[in-house]
Amino acid sequence: DIQMTQSPSSLPASLGDRVTITCRASQDIGNYLRWFQQKPGKSPRLMIYGATNLAAGVPSRFSGSRSGSDYSLTINSLESEDMAIYYCLQHNEYPFTFGSGTKLEIK
Amino acid sequence: QVQLKESGPGLVQPSETLSLTCTVSGFSLTSYSVSWVRQPSGKGPEWMGRMWYDGDTAYNSALKSRLSISRDTSKNQVFLKMNSLQTDDTGTYYCTRWDYDFDYWGQGVMVTVSS
Repeated sequence: DIQMTQSPSSLPASLGDRVTITCRASQDIGNYLRWFQQKPGKSPRLMIYGATNLAAGVPSRFSGSRSGSDYSLTINSLESEDMAIYYCLQHNEYPFTFGSGTKLEIK
Repeated sequence: QVQLKESGPGLVQPSETLSLTCTVSGFSLTSYSVSWVRQPSGKGPEWMGRMWYDGDTAYNSALKSRLSISRDTSKNQVFLKMNSLQTDDTGTYYCTRWDYDFDYWGQGVMVTVSS
């Protein structure tokens, strides 16, 4: 199975900060990488697809990038509504696998 | 509009079989695939398997021996059955439709495995 190593597990940040979350894939997954946001008691929400594409309705302060096997989610100018847990997902090969999550919280 | 809704028992006895239903509306199961994803409380999600639009299925190898996904297209329903449940199968179970550039999720159903 492809392992998605996500870091950091916890990210204290201040409103207005720029933050970056990273997932490293254990094998080549191409651009078959998604980022999800999940708030307490809610279903996950797609934020980024195809590693770099913004999903519909997602604010432009979110962006995705790729460098080799490292995939990153960056949030510019953090807002209070961004506090949540973020997960990456590879869907290049079965079984699809999620990262372990990053909890973004106010410092 | 597109909707998915999970239903099933909230409590299952250890060693018993879990049966869940995902009822969809706003689209046809013969045109779109539906996946099942579960999430233990306080932990990350786990992809369980998928019912393809053509009726084919794919399973997480870690669950394959216990898991079965089927459908009834006339009722717009996708079914999940998993046997030999243990306490670590406790969590929220979601059905979801993943398009290329968007996704739709059910609200999830909480399943507790306990005697």
